[in-house]
Amino acid sequence: SYVLTQPPSVSVAPGQTARITCGGNNIGSKSVHWYQQKPGQAPVLVVYDDSDRPSGIPERFSGSNSGNTATLTISRVEAGDEADYYCQVWDSSSDHQVFGGGTKLTVL
Amino acid sequence: EVQLVESGGGLVQPGRSLRLSCAASGFTFDDYAMHWVRQAPGKGLEWVSGISWNSGSIGYADSVKGRFTISRDNAKNSLYLQMNSLRAEDTALYYCAKDRVGATTGWFDPWGQGTLVTVSS
Repeated sequence: SYVLTQPPSVSVAPGQTARITCGGNNIGSKSVHWYQQKPGQAPVLVVYDDSDRPSGIPERFSGSNSGNTATLTISRVEAGDEADYYCQVWDSSSDHQVFGGGTKLTVL
Repeated sequence: EVQLVESGGGLVQPGRSLRLSCAASGFTFDDYAMHWVRQAPGKGLEWVSGISWNSGSIGYADSVKGRFTISRDNAKNSLYLQMNSLRAEDTALYYCAKDRVGATTGWFDPWGQGTLVTVSS
């Protein structure tokens, strides 16, 4: 089955840029979606189809996808961005949806 | 406003059954695929099952295949998950989520607030 690998944690100072990676075999050929989950809350979609943003999501959130790595980039990080972030793809081979293990973003 | 409200969770003994429901509102339910995603305490997200708009395409995670059954009633704007032969490792918060299209191949938006299932003797 298809596996997505994320770093368990990323730390960044306020105002700096956070980059959260999602690794998978030839993930560049798939559409990658990203979710933000704050403690006690349901996940919220922040990026879909590699780099598109739903309405209401700040432009500070962006995404890219190439080769074996997709990346969620959060610019000018704020304290309110502290959360767990998950990547997700649909694996056509198994017809299964797949999530990465999640990355805890800490704002120092 | 799109709204998804899960119900049916609770404490159940190993080997027993439970049926979860998800009531949808604010969108044309029978245009979209739907999914169940779970999150064990302190753990990450795990896709459980998905169903296409007309129930023609259904998928299950390997961890629940043969024990769980997803279904929907488009007339009632409702999604269901029948969970049989429950195990301790099925303990989790179960979320209902809407797909972007009628097939089960897109992203999930929005999500409900979840219903907690605890499997314990």
